[in-house]
Amino acid sequence: QSALTQPASVSGSPGQSITISCTGSSSDVGSHNLVSWYQQHPGKAPKVIIDEVSERPSGVSDRFSGSKSGNTASLTISGLQAEDEASYYCCSYAGMHTWVFGGGTKVTVL
Amino acid sequence: QLQLQESGPGLVKPSETLSLTCIVSGGSIRSDTYYGAWIRQPPGKGLEWIGTISYSGTTYYNPSLKSRVTISVDTSKNQFYLKLTSVTPADTAVYYCAKDGHPAPWFDPWGQGTLVTVSP
Repeated sequence: QSALTQPASVSGSPGQSITISCTGSSSDVGSHNLVSWYQQHPGKAPKVIIDEVSERPSGVSDRFSGSKSGNTASLTISGLQAEDEASYYCCSYAGMHTWVFGGGTKVTVL
Repeated sequence: QLQLQESGPGLVKPSETLSLTCIVSGGSIRSDTYYGAWIRQPPGKGLEWIGTISYSGTTYYNPSLKSRVTISVDTSKNQFYLKLTSVTPADTAVYYCAKDGHPAPWFDPWGQGTLVTVSP
């Protein structure tokens, strides 16, 4: 069970859109739609912002959207705001009721 | 509103056993829909799922930690527990408990996390 691959960092200016990729394998990301995304601000617990690839939990801004193609899931943040500066983690079901996270991506708002 | 809080020693010696408790409030874990998870995060690093337990005590573990991990539940106390044996400095991390959304693919809510340092 290897960690999913995410870019270490992504940056953008306020108002821009950015996309974070999450690459796994046919054993995890590629085999189902059980992918979620978490936002974590420094010193805080993670918070789920996307589940089942593209579903937004109640209360999550519609500026966050998710998608998947093959073994790669993606998180897009539209209309980037200062409050979006945080780390983002993907998570995928990996079979036999096990879960694997990505290494995390630090988003910087320029 | 469901809330979770981790408790336990902040310092554990190498080769000893790390033991943590997750105290659940605002709802009962004595439910066929309740699954609780442990997740950890070494300082400055990413998240690692440790394992999940159902209300009835069925457990699921990360294969890389399975030989050292035991997760248990006490529904009468509304708590679940983590034991990690033979710890090394590599086990130093913030340990979180969270509600596993099984069968939905999410963890929410999370506890605030507790830092456990493994050091002589």
